[in-house]
Amino acid sequence: TQLLEQSPQFLSIQEGENLTVYCNSSSVFSSLQWYRQEPGEGPVLLVTVVTGGEVKKLKRLTFQFGDARKDSSLHITAAQPGDTGLYLCAGVREETSGSRLTFGEGTQLTVNP
Amino acid sequence: NAGVTQTPKFRVLKTGQSMTLLCAQDMNHEYMYWYRQDPGMGLRLIHYSVGEGTTAKGEVPDGYNVSRLKKQNFLLGLESAAPSQTSVYFCASRGGLEAFFGQGTRLTVV
Repeated sequence: TQLLEQSPQFLSIQEGENLTVYCNSSSVFSSLQWYRQEPGEGPVLLVTVVTGGEVKKLKRLTFQFGDARKDSSLHITAAQPGDTGLYLCAGVREETSGSRLTFGEGTQLTVNP
Repeated sequence: NAGVTQTPKFRVLKTGQSMTLLCAQDMNHEYMYWYRQDPGMGLRLIHYSVGEGTTAKGEVPDGYNVSRLKKQNFLLGLESAAPSQTSVYFCASRGGLEAFFGQGTRLTVV
């Protein structure tokens, strides 16, 4: 069982549609991040949210951190084929052994022209 | 800047063989992480390090060992490879909030 659960796991939509990806946990995180990964590459950071209730916008992407700092969502407006990729949420937790970065299972997004 | 470099990029092992994956970063980051990525499982944390000479277990540490003798290097060892360790392995380093990843190592154990 993973600490962070993402839904949906797969999403296939048409160009121009809107979508939301969810990342949920029963644990509290000091910060939560969203990454995007292309085939054959490592993940690349899109955004970090730190404060409960925080909303950040990156062009057509809107990220929200839950008030209790246990969950987050990624909303894409008017999706484009270039948005196709694997989206991963990751939470930072401070533990006695140090700062642990834990990932969700990922959401594979396909935007069809 | 090279960022995070993983070697090798591909490897095929026979069951029972051993190998070491090397991760090198040139950003003077304190934190380094090893993950494995399997279909539908996202990235699962194997081991991590919060500084030179330190290591800690992640979510799936069994069958793996790590060492951080130098700040810039984080080694992942498989003492006796098993087919269940067939995966893509990613290393990451982190200084502030952002983690930087290597290109991955595709390991197949037959």
